[in-house]
Amino acid sequence: NAGVTQTPKFRILKIGQSMTLQCTQDMNHNYMYWYRQDPGMGLKLIYYSVGAGITDKGEVPNGYNVSRSTTEDFPLRLELAAPSQTSVYFCASSYTAGLNTGELFFGEGSRLTVL
Amino acid sequence: GQSLEQPSEVTAVEGAIVQINCTYQTSGFYGLSWYQQHDGGAPTFLSYNGLDGLEETGRFSSFLSRSDSYGYLLLQELQMKDSASYFCAANTNAGKSTFGDGTTLTVKP
Repeated sequence: NAGVTQTPKFRILKIGQSMTLQCTQDMNHNYMYWYRQDPGMGLKLIYYSVGAGITDKGEVPNGYNVSRSTTEDFPLRLELAAPSQTSVYFCASSYTAGLNTGELFFGEGSRLTVL
Repeated sequence: GQSLEQPSEVTAVEGAIVQINCTYQTSGFYGLSWYQQHDGGAPTFLSYNGLDGLEETGRFSSFLSRSDSYGYLLLQELQMKDSASYFCAANTNAGKSTFGDGTTLTVKP
């Protein structure tokens, strides 16, 4: 199993450009999450999904959109990139929101710089 | 709303024991998880408390008191490789997992 796979690992965007961060998991997890982590800070929840076709906002959703058309994939869309979106983005998944074991499985992260 | 508080930094020497505290205010609280993150890496799961009490996993233990909205991570027999950031995360029955800002642990020889 590959686990949680994120692409790209690194990206530089110009202000106003758009892009999609891809996330896929092969563990048949229902729950998937997108977090951002600024330097020296904790992880802030952007969006999450409890299953295909269902998404919900987290703590910092503004400037982002998500979709969940399949169990495996949970892409994060950045529209009109701004310097404030410079961050490391982590995708994660779990069986049932970690309700049984508390464990989220993380991808390696996508490092995004907006100039 | 959701908020978690943990100390920003802790320093200890090799072989010692260190405790990292976490207090939370979380609607729909279900359980508390702990993660380790080395510089440049992804968070990795350490421990989970769904019930009050102590959970032990090797050198790491975690404790939860729901009545006090408080938990801690206990690291024993510290090693240099334990130098990292440690995060508590509150899981809710709505499916969210919200993280604290992290505690940077520095282990000195």
